[in-house]
Amino acid sequence: DAGVIQSPRHEVTEMGQEVTLRCKPISGHNSLFWYRQTMMRGLELLIYFNNNVPIDDSGMPEDRFSAKMPNASFSTLKIQPSEPRDSAVYFCASSLRGDIQYFGAGTRLSVL
Amino acid sequence: EDQVTQSPEALRLQEGESSSLNCSYTVSGLRGLFWYRQDPGKGPEFLFTLYSAGEEKEKERLKATLTKKESFLHITAPKPEDSATYLCAVHLLSSGSARQLTFGSGTQLTVLP
Repeated sequence: DAGVIQSPRHEVTEMGQEVTLRCKPISGHNSLFWYRQTMMRGLELLIYFNNNVPIDDSGMPEDRFSAKMPNASFSTLKIQPSEPRDSAVYFCASSLRGDIQYFGAGTRLSVL
Repeated sequence: EDQVTQSPEALRLQEGESSSLNCSYTVSGLRGLFWYRQDPGKGPEFLFTLYSAGEEKEKERLKATLTKKESFLHITAPKPEDSATYLCAVHLLSSGSARQLTFGSGTQLTVLP
């Protein structure tokens, strides 16, 4: 299996622009998680899905952030409009039994 | 408030110098404790999961142990390729988000040749 696949690996954008991050979970996994990692706050859970349904989005920082999972093999995290403080590494992870999570390589986002 | 604290923040060892990393937690109910390794520019890589006090897991030079208040990651005779950030995470019984992991801030390990 190719593991969790995220794209793009790097994204540089200007403040106010829309950013879309993409994730393909491991085939057969039924839970998907979006995390954000910064030096100051470490690894924080933003939202997670179970069987394509959002279960907990309490970690989403504000309304500028949204996430979707239209099917079992694809999810997006969108930031609109983006701000410099959104600069971070965003990780997607998937899980089969809801405990061991397998992470993608991440998307490094820089908002100028 | 549920907390996960890792120490030390950074650790430098000579090749072959054994040591331990600590993960202490103050949580109302522990469903499981996880150790991950993260290399620069990559996502966390799963190492171990521990579910009950007294449990131990081993993989090559790494051994993870769990008590009621903390977990240790013991590194025996480390090599330079063991250099990475080691993250601890807990899965809580009491969490309304039953599948949510809470991560510590990590220990950055450097093994010098």
